[in-house]
Amino acid sequence: EVQLVESGGGLIQPGGSLRLSCAASGFTVSSNYMSWVRQAPGKGLEWVSIIYSGGDTYYAESVKGRFTISRDNSQNTLYLQMNSLRAEDTAVYYCALGSSGYYYDYWGQGTLVTVSS
Amino acid sequence: DIVMTQSPDSLAVSLGERATINCKSSQSILYNSNNKNYLAWYQQKPGQPPKLLIYWASTRESGVPDRFSGSGSGTDFTLTISSLQAEDAAVYYCQQYYSTRPYTFGQGTKLEIK
Repeated sequence: EVQLVESGGGLIQPGGSLRLSCAASGFTVSSNYMSWVRQAPGKGLEWVSIIYSGGDTYYAESVKGRFTISRDNSQNTLYLQMNSLRAEDTAVYYCALGSSGYYYDYWGQGTLVTVSS
Repeated sequence: DIVMTQSPDSLAVSLGERATINCKSSQSILYNSNNKNYLAWYQQKPGQPPKLLIYWASTRESGVPDRFSGSGSGTDFTLTISSLQAEDAAVYYCQQYYSTRPYTFGQGTKLEIK
């Protein structure tokens, strides 16, 4: 059974850093493409980043240069390193799996990041 | 970027009635070489992550009730719930995966029970 469990969210001051984790089970992270998608309070879904099985990574313009997606194959875990955080980064962050290579068929429960002084 | 625009933003439908949600892309998301539309629909209930309902514009995900159906091609798509049940109250999102950097979602449509 596929499971995705995010952790690492919390309250952080503007300009601070945070690393989110997404522990995966039931499949191999390195063999699939995985993404982070966020949702600001009361708002819609916003795609943040993707890492392909080959290791290529891509980012939304809003986070490019500040966020880094990575994975640890030995831990079967996906990460999102978030630096220079801004109030507008406040959101629930979901990790999502596209096992088909296209649409997202599995999602974690999300972890809340609040950027505030 | 491909912009996805849903309509309406919200709607209220009576139990047992049909609900229709539209999604329009700013450019065609039909890939001519395989004749597939690169569009998915998701359902999100409060406090829960999105759930995949439909992919390739009209293919139902395993376990999704057959009252949910997707249609359309090119730039115009529709999600139809044929006979609304109480548990269908949710926010629905379309998403294109034709242009993958970035993937883009519609703004969401909130479906309520009248």
